[in-house]
Amino acid sequence: GNSVTQMEGPVTLSEEAFLTINCTYTATGYPSLFWYVQYPGEGLQLLLKATKADDKGSNKGFEATYRKETTSFHLEKGSVQVSDSAVYFCALFSGGYNKLIFGAGTRLAVHP
Amino acid sequence: NAGVTQTPKFQVLKTGQSMTLQCAQDMNHEYMSWYRQDPGMGLRLIHYSVGAGITDQGEVPNGYNVSRSTTEDFPLRLLSAAPSQTSVYFCASSYSLDTQNTEAFFGQGTRLTVV
Repeated sequence: GNSVTQMEGPVTLSEEAFLTINCTYTATGYPSLFWYVQYPGEGLQLLLKATKADDKGSNKGFEATYRKETTSFHLEKGSVQVSDSAVYFCALFSGGYNKLIFGAGTRLAVHP
Repeated sequence: NAGVTQTPKFQVLKTGQSMTLQCAQDMNHEYMSWYRQDPGMGLRLIHYSVGAGITDQGEVPNGYNVSRSTTEDFPLRLLSAAPSQTSVYFCASSYSLDTQNTEAFFGQGTRLTVV
């Protein structure tokens, strides 16, 4: 079945450091891929998405590229801020299953 | 914009009690779903609905019932609460199942503790 695997956290960084959170997926067909972010005490909100191979999603300085050859969708940011501290979820949507499937989430803590 | 509204935000139940978690959206979305969030396990789909009158099971449906009598509302019922149902519950909605439009909008969650 379809699944998403994320690197385990927590990830702890200093402000202005480079961020990578790894995400790989298993799916049939051509799923759409997403990164959602959950700030403390809130629900999830969409950060970025990519709907086909080689697409790059970007938002708020975050980027992720849909790599079909490696079945990956790694999240990157060149310079993190304290306000980026949150839990990040990689997810895929496969129309055949009508489901949005999430990874386990990766907690990011950024210190001044 | 209200978006997706969940009530209550917090709830403590005794084992065997029943309750309904409410979810309402004002975006005229066809697709609604319920997830539970547990540490280290991400979000797991409980039930979902592709429109009024249509519901289906997700990954972890046991112990939960849903109905969808209107487009706006999608309540989740716990018939006989168990400690294993202690979790944070999220309701989500999206415009359609089309992969180009499947941004899901989430409520703020309901933290449920079963003692």
